[in-house]
Amino acid sequence: SQTIHQWPATLVQPVGSPLSLECTVEGTSNPNLYWYRQAAGRGLQLLFYSVGIGQISSEVPQNLSASRPQDRQFILSSKKLLLSDSGFYLCAWSHDRAHEQFFGPGTRLTVL
Amino acid sequence: DQQVKQNSPSLSVQEGRISILNCDYTNSMFDYFLWYKKYPAEGPTFLISISSIKDKNEDGRFTVFLNKSAKHLSLHIVPSQPGDSAVYFCAASAVSGGGADGLTFGKGTHLIIQP
Repeated sequence: SQTIHQWPATLVQPVGSPLSLECTVEGTSNPNLYWYRQAAGRGLQLLFYSVGIGQISSEVPQNLSASRPQDRQFILSSKKLLLSDSGFYLCAWSHDRAHEQFFGPGTRLTVL
Repeated sequence: DQQVKQNSPSLSVQEGRISILNCDYTNSMFDYFLWYKKYPAEGPTFLISISSIKDKNEDGRFTVFLNKSAKHLSLHIVPSQPGDSAVYFCAASAVSGGGADGLTFGKGTHLIIQP
């Protein structure tokens, strides 16, 4: 069966510090991968998606970037965090050409 | 511009009764709809989905109804159980993206099952 991992589970970072969140998927190959953010009191907002290694599509302009160095690895990064980057970050995967997405446990990021 | 709307931030239902969660959408390109359940500090869990070629899909206690002309869908949970207490998100997808595009989510409805 497929599993998706995210780490760390929680993170507290000062404004201006860098960020790296990692997501890995097991049990499937060539998945589509996604990063979402849930801000307080809001729904899930799509940040990035990837259909293959090195292929990244960004949905909203922001202070964040994403990379996919390996087939089942998806990384969310920032060079300098802003207060507004605080939120709950979720990684998800789907089979190619499938609509159902399956989410990881999430990372709670607090920027102080 | 919110393309998927869940107008009820919260809903309280007595255990054993039916829970009905509603969702409206504005983008006519959406043709696949999903419901997710989310507990605090966890990722959403996929519950049930429906394609726009159908008007109903059932899975155990969960049934999703789609009214394309009204751009409205609903999730029925019957009977409601205490473990159903969670935030429920409605999401939509457009087939033009081949499924690769991300989902568009509503803001969620917090369902509270009263004993």
